[in-house]
Amino acid sequence: DAGVIQSPRHEVTEMGQEVTLRCKPISGHNSLFWYRQTMMRGLELLIYFNNNVPIDDSGMPEDRFSAKMPNASFSTLKIQPSEPRDSAVYFCASSTTSSQQFFGPGTRLTVL
Amino acid sequence: KQEVTQIPAALSVPEGENLVLNCSFTDSAIYNLQWFRQDPGKGLTSLLLIQSSQREQTSGRLNASLDKSSGRSTLYIAASQPGDSATYLCAVPPNSFGNEKLTFGTGTRLTIIP
Repeated sequence: DAGVIQSPRHEVTEMGQEVTLRCKPISGHNSLFWYRQTMMRGLELLIYFNNNVPIDDSGMPEDRFSAKMPNASFSTLKIQPSEPRDSAVYFCASSTTSSQQFFGPGTRLTVL
Repeated sequence: KQEVTQIPAALSVPEGENLVLNCSFTDSAIYNLQWFRQDPGKGLTSLLLIQSSQREQTSGRLNASLDKSSGRSTLYIAASQPGDSATYLCAVPPNSFGNEKLTFGTGTRLTIIP
């Protein structure tokens, strides 16, 4: 298996633009997680899905952030409109329920 | 609210030495505990998952122990190598099967000196 796949790996955009991050979990995993990592706040869980259903989105910072999982093999995290303080590395991870989480390589987002 | 602490924040040791990384958590009602490593500019790699019913878990030169009652876990690395240099993070979920919201520690940045 190729592991968790994320795209793009790097994204540079201007404030106010819409940003869409993509994730393909490991086949057979039924849980998917979106994390954000910054120097100031460390690693934070934004939202996670189980069997394509959002279970906990309490970490989503604002209404500007939204996440979807239309099927078992694809998820998106959208920021609209983006702001400079959204600059961070965004990770997607997947697992089978309550097992080890496997992380993707991350998307480094820079909002100018 | 669960808080996870890792001390020290950074550690440097000569190659070949054995070392211990520490992880403390405030709420001992955990389901399991996971250790990760993160290389600069990369994602996290899962190293070991230790269930609450276990006291330790081993993988190669790595050994993780768990003492729920004292809220502590250690990651022991034997015969350290330069390739072990990375940031090591521990993480715990709440004590309910199926609730997978991990709380991460801030990590220990390990440097192995050749």
